Amino acid sequence: EDKVVQSPLSLVVHEGDTVTLNCSYEVTNFRSLLWYKQEKKAPTFLFMLTSSGIEKKSGRLSSILDKKELFSILNITATQTGDSAIYLCAVDGGTSYGKLTFGQGTILTVHP
Amino acid sequence: DGGITQSPKYLFRKEGQNVTLSCEQNLNHDAMYWYRQDPGQGLRLIYYSQIVNDFQKGDIAEGYSVSREKKESFPLTVTSAQKNPTAFYLCASSRPDGINEKLFFGSGTQLSVL
Repeated sequence: EDKVVQSPLSLVVHEGDTVTLNCSYEVTNFRSLLWYKQEKKAPTFLFMLTSSGIEKKSGRLSSILDKKELFSILNITATQTGDSAIYLCAVDGGTSYGKLTFGQGTILTVHP
Repeated sequence: DGGITQSPKYLFRKEGQNVTLSCEQNLNHDAMYWYRQDPGQGLRLIYYSQIVNDFQKGDIAEGYSVSREKKESFPLTVTSAQKNPTAFYLCASSRPDGINEKLFFGSGTQLSVL
């Protein structure tokens, strides 16, 4: 059974801090790892990491994939209150097209 | 604008009642999914459909049923057999190209039991 574990489960920081969110996985046939941000209702896509793309960056957010050690990190620098959200990690384990296994999520709270 | 519409946003279920959650997409995606989100447990897959008139059970299908009569629509029925239905339900869609898929999500339905 595919498994995705995120840590920490919750994190409270102040504006300007840098945070690192972790995601480890055990899947049958790894195809991709995805990060989503869920502010209120609908999760929105952040990054997809695959064998051919193990590092992604967008503004203050960046993510890397370590396929050997089976984990990914999501880094947010110079955090802002708008970064407060649940961050979800999901893995496509190749069991069926588009079928993702999600971790528990990390609740990030950024105080002014 | 293309997107996924879920309705209603809030739903209350009485004991022994079946309720149906609506999900419509105009992204022309072939695949659609239903996930359940409980606090501290992330998203768990209930059912998914890769093509019209076909669907597969996910990890927690017991007490739920779906249909896929049209490409745009994938309604989820929470039956009376689901003993703990209170949760946030998310519908998603994707265009499985056999390479890498990205899910697009609706805004969810919060279901509570009266």
